[in-house]
Amino acid sequence: QTVLTQPPSASGAPGQRVTISCSGSSSNIGRGTVTWYKQLPGTAPKLLMYYDDQRPSGVPDRFSGSKSGTSASLGISGLQPEDESDYYCAAWDDSLNGWVFGGGTKVTVL
Amino acid sequence: EVKLVQSGAEVRKPGESLKISCRGFGYRFTDYWIAWVRQMPGKGLEWMGLFYPGDSDTTYSPSFQGQVTFSADKSISTAYLQWSSLKASDTAIYYCARGGSGTHYPFDQWGQGTLVTVSS
Repeated sequence: QTVLTQPPSASGAPGQRVTISCSGSSSNIGRGTVTWYKQLPGTAPKLLMYYDDQRPSGVPDRFSGSKSGTSASLGISGLQPEDESDYYCAAWDDSLNGWVFGGGTKVTVL
Repeated sequence: EVKLVQSGAEVRKPGESLKISCRGFGYRFTDYWIAWVRQMPGKGLEWMGLFYPGDSDTTYSPSFQGQVTFSADKSISTAYLQWSSLKASDTAIYYCARGGSGTHYPFDQWGQGTLVTVSS
């Protein structure tokens, strides 16, 4: 049981838009910022989005992040085959005094 | 180029000890927190804790407090994760990741992971 809640799966056809939700509480998302990581099968996670909506250098602008209250979302527009991956949200939790992750969402490109 | 390079896969028996490593390249090792993250087979990411090589300041997740120990050798820019008595349930991939100058910074670089298998 994870502190942040994500849907286990999401899917879309090439070119479509997919949105992944991440639900938390007032001690984590509601208090600080959200980070998103992408993990391709058999590889290490990679930073995808930080401070809710900031993309690291090299991340396409097809990826977008947003936050409202105690929930956050990651949007992927113009879905491409290489977007098929696991995506994790994370946030600092003031009550636990540590980082918490969502359970991960597996995105499938149909 | 900033990168973290972890030690290779390990196989141990229950009750044995183990120390795995994570070496930083391309940045001032003592200025950034190092996070340790566990990924059990087929499961998600779990934050184990943070270690600051500059002064050995440490924060453990309650789930891992007392189960593992973080340390570092600043002279070789290497962080360590160690167990004194492994259990079968410690079987997982362990990642190190670079944080920032504070505990709330995201993890911008990850090691390739170390697979630890504990089996009798």
